[in-house]
Amino acid sequence: DIVVTQSPDSLAVSLGERATVNCKSSQSLLYSSNNKNYLAWYQQKPGQPPKLLFYWASTRESGVPDRFSGSGSGTDFTLSISNLQAEDVAVYYCQQYYSRPFTFGPGTRVDIK
Amino acid sequence: QVQLQESGPGLEKPSETLALTCSVSSGSISGYYWSWIRQPPGKGLEWIGDIHYSGTTNYNPSLNSRVTISVDMSKNQISLRLNSVTAADTAVYFCARSPVTNYYNSGGEQIWPGAFDSWGQGTLVTVSS
Repeated sequence: DIVVTQSPDSLAVSLGERATVNCKSSQSLLYSSNNKNYLAWYQQKPGQPPKLLFYWASTRESGVPDRFSGSGSGTDFTLSISNLQAEDVAVYYCQQYYSRPFTFGPGTRVDIK
Repeated sequence: QVQLQESGPGLEKPSETLALTCSVSSGSISGYYWSWIRQPPGKGLEWIGDIHYSGTTNYNPSLNSRVTISVDMSKNQISLRLNSVTAADTAVYFCARSPVTNYYNSGGEQIWPGAFDSWGQGTLVTVSS
């Protein structure tokens, strides 16, 4: 199985500042034939299902504010939230869909400082 | 906007079979992969398995021998059965949709699930005597 890790476990950021979440996979998620990274990011708020933010590592899902950005390739990926808003408080998960079983990172909790 | 709704008993006894249904509305099952994913209270997400709308299934080896996922196109439903449950199976169970994506290898064009773009609200199943 591909192991996906995230750092930090949690972080607190002041309103309007930037939050950065890191995701690392145990093997490359880049498929050479199509040059796509099989990595997604989700946001989960209490009592709600996860919500897709990015797929192919950096393609923003429709409706996701552009203060969110996804980047990275291969085994190292980053989710950045600029100008943090109160509604961004949530747990963020990365997930690989390169090979089954699909696996998620343990999550990173983002709070307001 | 497609809507997914999980349903089923909220309480199961140990050794029994958990059976859940995901009803899909405002959209079709055709053209997608459908997964079951679970989340123990206060913990992370675990992929259970998926089914292509054609009926092809794939399961997480950690649960493989206990899981069955099926699709009923006439009812627009996806079902999950998990046998011989224990307290460790207590979790919120989600159904989720993935688009079909394509890639190429030596065997030609292949299909593969994309990211989970739609999720149900989830249903809590507690395993307890």
